[in-house]
Amino acid sequence: QITLKESGPTLVKPTQTLTLTCTFSGFSLSTSGVGVGWIRQPPGKALEWLALIYWDDDKRYSPSLKSRLTITKDTSKNQVVLTMTNMDPVDTATYYCAHRRPCGGDCYFSWGQGTLVTVSS
Amino acid sequence: QSVLTQPPSVSAAPGQKVTISCSGSSSNIGNNYVSWYQQLPGTAPKLLIYDNNKRPSGIPDRFSGSKSGTSATLGITGLQTGDEADYYCGTWDSSLSSLVFGGGTKLTVL
Repeated sequence: QITLKESGPTLVKPTQTLTLTCTFSGFSLSTSGVGVGWIRQPPGKALEWLALIYWDDDKRYSPSLKSRLTITKDTSKNQVVLTMTNMDPVDTATYYCAHRRPCGGDCYFSWGQGTLVTVSS
Repeated sequence: QSVLTQPPSVSAAPGQKVTISCSGSSSNIGNNYVSWYQQLPGTAPKLLIYDNNKRPSGIPDRFSGSKSGTSATLGITGLQTGDEADYYCGTWDSSLSSLVFGGGTKLTVL
């Protein structure tokens, strides 16, 4: 059974850096083709893809947020960490991490429950 | 403004069939695989369809996906009240070098 869980602060101040950790089980980020991605959803709005890290440490970022994002992995701990700098109230959202299995396209087979991050002074 | 265009809402009666469209361009749907996600109220998204028309294990065959040109369609037959949710399409955009999602479609089962 695959599970993922996001953890991190629920409240951050504007200009601060957000650090979120995704702790997963049931798969290995050392397996060829596997990845872990981050997707966010502002309240009442659509999904927005943020970043993806592959088993071979290849990384992909949303072009609009690339300058603010860093994604890393710790395979031994089964964790993926996303940092986002210079947080703004518009970054208030539920942040999800998800497991990408090998497929023809970009498909996230399992998702964490999400963590709501509020940006406010 | 989403790169992929979905109708904001659709509705149908229990037992009926509904389709949800997702329109894009040659840089996304036209040349890449499409996935569909279901998001029940207050929960995380769930993968319904991947690679245009494949269902993960455990997804009933009431759910189907298709793609033609720069558009994709999610079909749901035998509607149940439990299908009331938001549905999102997603695909890679080769021009943007980014995964993109549609704006979401709210399904109401009347």
